[in-house]
Amino acid sequence: QVQLVESGGGLAKPGGSLRLSCAASGFTFSDYYMSWIRQAPGKGLEWVSYISSGSSYTDYADSVKGRFTISRDNAKSSLYLQMNSLRAEDTAVYYCARQMESATPHWFDPWGQGTLVTVSS
Amino acid sequence: SYELTQPPSVSVSPGQTARITCSGDSLPKQYAYWYQQRPGQAPVLVIYKDTERPSGIPERFSGSSSGTTVTLTISGVQAEDEADYYCQSADNSDTDVIFGGGTRLTVL
Repeated sequence: QVQLVESGGGLAKPGGSLRLSCAASGFTFSDYYMSWIRQAPGKGLEWVSYISSGSSYTDYADSVKGRFTISRDNAKSSLYLQMNSLRAEDTAVYYCARQMESATPHWFDPWGQGTLVTVSS
Repeated sequence: SYELTQPPSVSVSPGQTARITCSGDSLPKQYAYWYQQRPGQAPVLVIYKDTERPSGIPERFSGSSSGTTVTLTISGVQAEDEADYYCQSADNSDTDVIFGGGTRLTVL
């Protein structure tokens, strides 16, 4: 079955860095756009970034632009999110999600179980 | 900035029908999607393209659209349907993904 498993979350200091990974299985990873979506504690969902199937196109939410970088390795069926210059407001559960269409609106199915990123001194 | 507006909470008794609305100016031109998030779990897609139900989602979940409002209807609500529900769409310019604020469905 289709499965997405995130890893790499943890505690980071303000200004620090973390790299999240998402391992995909059960589908042809290279056929799909992929996204990262986050959820701050007790809050709603916020889309973070997407990457096209061949890595040609990426986009970012204004809140992370210039600090976060999305990438993928189709040979390893893996998605990544490099997070630099972390801020307290980046504290959230980060989900990777398969994007079902490249056209707007992007939509997501399925989602991984999430990995918690905490930014605190 | 563009927003999708949902009621913060909806409460129904078991067996009744729950309706959760989502309003946004771009909804007449953009499809809407609905996700269910049970406590401590990841979101799950329950409705796509306004009215379509993914395989594996119970038939009691349905979606509809009218003008600037889309509605998620859960008929014959069960205790397991207690969750947060998020609508999602896009605006007509440069925002490809936007989520509503979420609605907590409480089964009394």
